[in-house]
Amino acid sequence: NAGVTQTPKFQVLKTGQSMTLQCAQDMNHEYMSWYRQDPGMGLRLIHYSVGAGITDQGEVPNGYNVSRSTTEDFPLRLLSAAPSQTSVYFCASSYRRPDYGYTFGSGTRLTVV
Amino acid sequence: DQQVKQNSPSLSVQEGRISILNCDYTNSMFDYFLWYKKYPAEGPTFLISISSIKDKNEDGRFTVFLNKSAKHLSLHIVPSQPGDSAVYFCAASARGSNFGNEKLTFGTGTRLTIIP
Repeated sequence: NAGVTQTPKFQVLKTGQSMTLQCAQDMNHEYMSWYRQDPGMGLRLIHYSVGAGITDQGEVPNGYNVSRSTTEDFPLRLLSAAPSQTSVYFCASSYRRPDYGYTFGSGTRLTVV
Repeated sequence: DQQVKQNSPSLSVQEGRISILNCDYTNSMFDYFLWYKKYPAEGPTFLISISSIKDKNEDGRFTVFLNKSAKHLSLHIVPSQPGDSAVYFCAASARGSNFGNEKLTFGTGTRLTIIP
């Protein structure tokens, strides 16, 4: 099925550990982004990319790293996990058209203890 | 600084009636507005969008209205159905200098419950 695939769905990390959240899309979308959802905060943009080799920071980039070597993949790296990074993470992709809605993945629920 | 605000955390509506979800924004540079629907344990799904040059856009049971002078938009769902029970997010984008206007700023969401 065409769409955005996120792995893993759930993860528990200890403070200080690092990990990579995977995101892949098969719709040939140029634009990909990572959001985090926290209670009462809505969805906040972490990092985004408009094509392979091009990334930029969003609203809350600290503690996260991204790269985009292919059109399909956009992994999010947590460098040294902190309890404040406990959240639900969503990857999204889209064509570069403002009226074209994002396709979101089903999310990764991350708990940092 | 919350540039997109959804001031009602929750809303309950009788099945068959109209649901009206509201959203306010502060950034006058926003030129596209979108609504998303989210079920628990799923990612948001796109519902409908509107350009700032329009004041209304309709898609089936869903209509979005934009009042630029008031910096206000609303989503109308008519008639409301039990499957419409979800969290609804409004979002906005502004044309950026480098990458166009794909970046979305989201509101905090409104939980809609349709009462059978």
